[in-house]
Amino acid sequence: EPEVTQTPSHQVTQMGQEVILRCVPISNHLYFYWYRQILGQKVEFLVSFYNNEISEKSEIFDDQFSVERPDGSNFTLKIRSTKLEDSAMYFCASSEEMPGASSYNSPLHFGNGTRLTVT
Amino acid sequence: AQRVTQPEKLLSVFKGAPVELKCNYSYSGSPELFWYVQYSRQRLQLLLRHISRESIKGFTADLNKGETSFHLKKPFAQEEDSAMYYCALGGYGGATNKLIFGTGTLLAVQP
Repeated sequence: EPEVTQTPSHQVTQMGQEVILRCVPISNHLYFYWYRQILGQKVEFLVSFYNNEISEKSEIFDDQFSVERPDGSNFTLKIRSTKLEDSAMYFCASSEEMPGASSYNSPLHFGNGTRLTVT
Repeated sequence: AQRVTQPEKLLSVFKGAPVELKCNYSYSGSPELFWYVQYSRQRLQLLLRHISRESIKGFTADLNKGETSFHLKKPFAQEEDSAMYYCALGGYGGATNKLIFGTGTLLAVQP
């Protein structure tokens, strides 16, 4: 069964440094997402991406964050200048259809996550 | 505001006992509700969704719009059911494609 893959599994960086988290969504999926989970807290939506542009973003996704689909397979999340509070597990997800576009939602397929530690 | 509440952080039951994981939501329109599960060292994966009205691994969940609930139930718990369970609200109004997750409930099934 095809899976969403994320690399690296664990990233340690110093405050103020730039990080890029990488994801390879399932090949025939059209919608891509980043979520994050701070330790002990809920999974939070960051951004959704479709047709080479951001379709929706949360208030968490400020100017320090950006996403890109540089080629036909990768989907990246960049944090320009990391802060201590960016430490979290970051999950990439993809779906075949847009949830909510019809009465039958396409489920999200999640990657294993990248644990980002900012020191 | 859209919100999902899972009141229990931990639910511990013995094998063979019934399980009910509670989920309440807040949304003014027509909700789409999901249960996601995360087994130890595995990825978050869809367990079931209300619109398909299916039973997966013996689990069922019924959307109760009057009580704004989507509780997950299983009549006889198995040890392999031990995992983190997240209720999620999504697809509301067709104008968004994000999921709102609850804080999750850790189900521990004792032998």
